[in-house]
Amino acid sequence: ILNVEQSPQSLHVQEGDSTNFTCSFPSSNFYALHWYRWETAKSPEALFVMTLNGDEKKKGRISATLNTKEGYSYLYIKGSQPEDSATYLCAHNAGNNRKLIWGLGTSLAVNP
Amino acid sequence: DTEVTQTPKHLVMGMTNKKSLKCEQHMGHRAMYWYKQKAKKPPELMFVYSYEKLSINESVPSRFSPECPNSSLLNLHLHALQPEDSALYLCASSQPGGDTEAFFGQGTRLTVV
Repeated sequence: ILNVEQSPQSLHVQEGDSTNFTCSFPSSNFYALHWYRWETAKSPEALFVMTLNGDEKKKGRISATLNTKEGYSYLYIKGSQPEDSATYLCAHNAGNNRKLIWGLGTSLAVNP
Repeated sequence: DTEVTQTPKHLVMGMTNKKSLKCEQHMGHRAMYWYKQKAKKPPELMFVYSYEKLSINESVPSRFSPECPNSSLLNLHLHALQPEDSALYLCASSQPGGDTEAFFGQGTRLTVV
């Protein structure tokens, strides 16, 4: 994998459903993996910055895992709420002071 | 204060105009970024300033001219833009290095007519 790829591209779930999406990135030259949430008409908001293989981070109902050896990260949302509706972007950094390489995002819509 | 403030929120300019976008943060961050974002695409990095010095220029046309007057301010000077430059311009800040979260402003929606 040369670029950052996210799947699925979009997702529609019902309120209360749990969901997850994937970010794949080059497994060589790993430095950090970022997750952001971007709601319409707002600024992107950082969720997690992950640096260690096997790391798992949690913020409320949202958690993320990281596998740097195989080059993927999962984002999980437990009990989705309508306010979780947003685009979730991941970005890979291959080294200190290098730029972030962004995925195209997963657009999540949570229906009440 | 965890805000990055961008002004103006909206800007319409002609192809012969000169305008500036402004970005301000008071979080003590020493890295600041300009991104360009087109619909349904991820943010596209334009410039990075680290400790008030330009550290990355992603081959951006010279009609875009960044400036970092001090550690809290970042400007983007615009001159002789093209209609295809119409986009959302986002400013972000963080501590230098790639392992800390970036804080984004709400962006300036630019339309070039």
